[in-house]
Amino acid sequence: AAGVIQSPRHLIKEKRETATLKCYPIPRHDTVYWYQQGPGQDPQFLISFYEKMQSDKGSIPDRFSAQQFSDYHSELNMSSLELGDSALYFCASSFRSGTSGYNEQFFGPGTRLTVL
Amino acid sequence: AQSVTQLGSHVSVSEGALVLLRCNYSSSVPPYLFWYVQYPNQGLQLLLKYTSAATLVKGINGFEAEFKKSETSFHLTKPSAHMSDAAEYFCAVSYSGTYKYIFGTGTRLKVLA
Repeated sequence: AAGVIQSPRHLIKEKRETATLKCYPIPRHDTVYWYQQGPGQDPQFLISFYEKMQSDKGSIPDRFSAQQFSDYHSELNMSSLELGDSALYFCASSFRSGTSGYNEQFFGPGTRLTVL
Repeated sequence: AQSVTQLGSHVSVSEGALVLLRCNYSSSVPPYLFWYVQYPNQGLQLLLKYTSAATLVKGINGFEAEFKKSETSFHLTKPSAHMSDAAEYFCAVSYSGTYKYIFGTGTRLKVLA
């Protein structure tokens, strides 16, 4: 079965550089979520998109932006990178339409970002 | 604020022993509850989920969890630990209408030979 695809899997950047992370949801899924997991930390919700519109916003820094495109893939753009941005970034997708509130999220393998 | 508490950041059990990982949520409204496992340098894999159907939920790899509303708990158990169970386990909650997951701080399970 198709899974959530994230690219790149690993990314190394210098401080103050920019990075773009991509997420391709499972086919027919209409919602994408982004999470950040710092070293030894639990995943923290950043932002989500439902049908290409921002749905919910968590602890996402102003330096970060994201969007969901017409083909439902999503990109997380990170500018002015800081050392503290080094983390594992997960994307998850779900099919929300028509549900009563429960929706199971399927997680991608993550992108490990290292900021030097 | 809604939160998830996982008691014990590190748990060690002997191979063949019972595994018990604790998860408590803090809200008056019962959430949807999930347990995920994360192996080193890998993503999150769903073990099991509670979606207001049966309170005893069976998952993959012999794990199960019981939802207890009176205790606001959703503890994860496995009768007999295997070396391959060594990993990080996360409890997560989601509430109707919000969809995002709130994760607990995780419990690292170590299985001793």
